[in-house]
Amino acid sequence: EVQLVESGGGSVQPGGSLRLSCAASGFTFSNYAMNWVRQAPGKGLEWVSGVSGSGGSTSYADSVKGRVTISRDNSKNTLYLQMNSLRAEDTAVYSCARDRYKTTTKGIDYWGQGTLVTVSS
Amino acid sequence: QSALTQPASVSGSPGQSITISCTGTSSDVGGYNYVSWYQQHPGKAPKLMIYDVTNRPSGVSNRFSGSKSGNTASLTISGLQAEDEADYYCSSYTISNTLVFGGGTKLTVL
Repeated sequence: EVQLVESGGGSVQPGGSLRLSCAASGFTFSNYAMNWVRQAPGKGLEWVSGVSGSGGSTSYADSVKGRVTISRDNSKNTLYLQMNSLRAEDTAVYSCARDRYKTTTKGIDYWGQGTLVTVSS
Repeated sequence: QSALTQPASVSGSPGQSITISCTGTSSDVGGYNYVSWYQQHPGKAPKLMIYDVTNRPSGVSNRFSGSKSGNTASLTISGLQAEDEADYYCSSYTISNTLVFGGGTKLTVL
């Protein structure tokens, strides 16, 4: 069974930083691209970032480019999202999501439950 | 990276069929066969219903079907059931090697 468990969320002041983690199990982690997707309270889904199975290729939404870095450790079956210069509009539940493909982000098939990030002074 | 366009809401009675549209551009929906559809119940993680425009994952009811014409993809649900009431989102791969979602559609089963 595919399991994705996020951690690292919390409350942070504007301009602050957070590092999210996602522990994956139930599949061969390195065979799949992975994504971060966020959902602000009462709003729709927004893709944030994706990384290839090897970790060698990354992509970002314009809304976060330059402020976040996605990475993965295939030896630990863990996905990360380093978020810097956080803004109020970054407040959302951040979910880790497995892609159906290995080399690039083309479509998600499994989602974690998410971790809440609140940016407020 | 503009969001794909979906109707904010659709409704139907049990047993009826409904269709939800998802409109993009030639740089996303129209340019690739990588459109997916997701169902999300309140407080739950999204569930994949359709991938690569027309394909259903194992375990998803055949009442759900997908199609595409030009820059618009569609999700059709036939034989509506009360349990189908949820939010539905489309997504597409883009020319920029990113993923983009639609704004979401709230389905109400009357």
